[in-house]
Amino acid sequence: AQSVTQLGSHVSVSEGALVLLRCNYSSSVPPYLFWYVQYPNQGLQLLLKYTTGATLVKGINGFEAEFKKSETSFHLTKPSAHMSDAAEYFCAVSGQGAQKLVFGQGTRLTINP
Amino acid sequence: ETGVTQTPRHLVMGMTNKKSLKCEQHLGHNAMYWYKQSAKKPLELMFVYNFKEQTENNSVPSRFSPECPNSSHLFLHLHTLQPEDSALYLCASSHQLAGDTGELFFGEGSRLTVL
Repeated sequence: AQSVTQLGSHVSVSEGALVLLRCNYSSSVPPYLFWYVQYPNQGLQLLLKYTTGATLVKGINGFEAEFKKSETSFHLTKPSAHMSDAAEYFCAVSGQGAQKLVFGQGTRLTINP
Repeated sequence: ETGVTQTPRHLVMGMTNKKSLKCEQHLGHNAMYWYKQSAKKPLELMFVYNFKEQTENNSVPSRFSPECPNSSHLFLHLHTLQPEDSALYLCASSHQLAGDTGELFFGEGSRLTVL
């Protein structure tokens, strides 16, 4: 069985500040981990993913995430927030042989000018 | 056209109406999905189709009836819905079942309001 917990349903940061969105997972098989972003009135789009190999993965729009097996975490970061980053972010987990993704409940990111 | 297209984008219906949501993907993918997105709740997977065959029905009430005539088209037929069914319904596709690759391509959703 797999599950995802996103800590904080709402995160607010100032423009130019560090963005940190937290994700912890549970998986009975080696996990594949994903971050999706949903802008207002749109569907979700893949931001980045970890399957195997390098544990620090880079995605679009300057975001990156690090897979930490010992902490069962896959936190999303961006060094400097931009107003256009305001959106909802979803962490998801699957694994080899899994037939579906399991999504977290989402974190709404607000950027203050 | 490219990507995943959903119609209509907005739908208002009464509890006795029958309506359908349509999803079309132009990506050559083999798997298609319906998700329900309600306020303050996680994304709920409803149905999965792989090569036109339903592989998952996530205990969805029978008032939601999916149809997948081919790998490019997916419908969600709606009848005698309840107000709590009001939500954003998202269609997605993937090259193969998403568990391994995780790369789903989503449409923009159909916002359903049930009066």
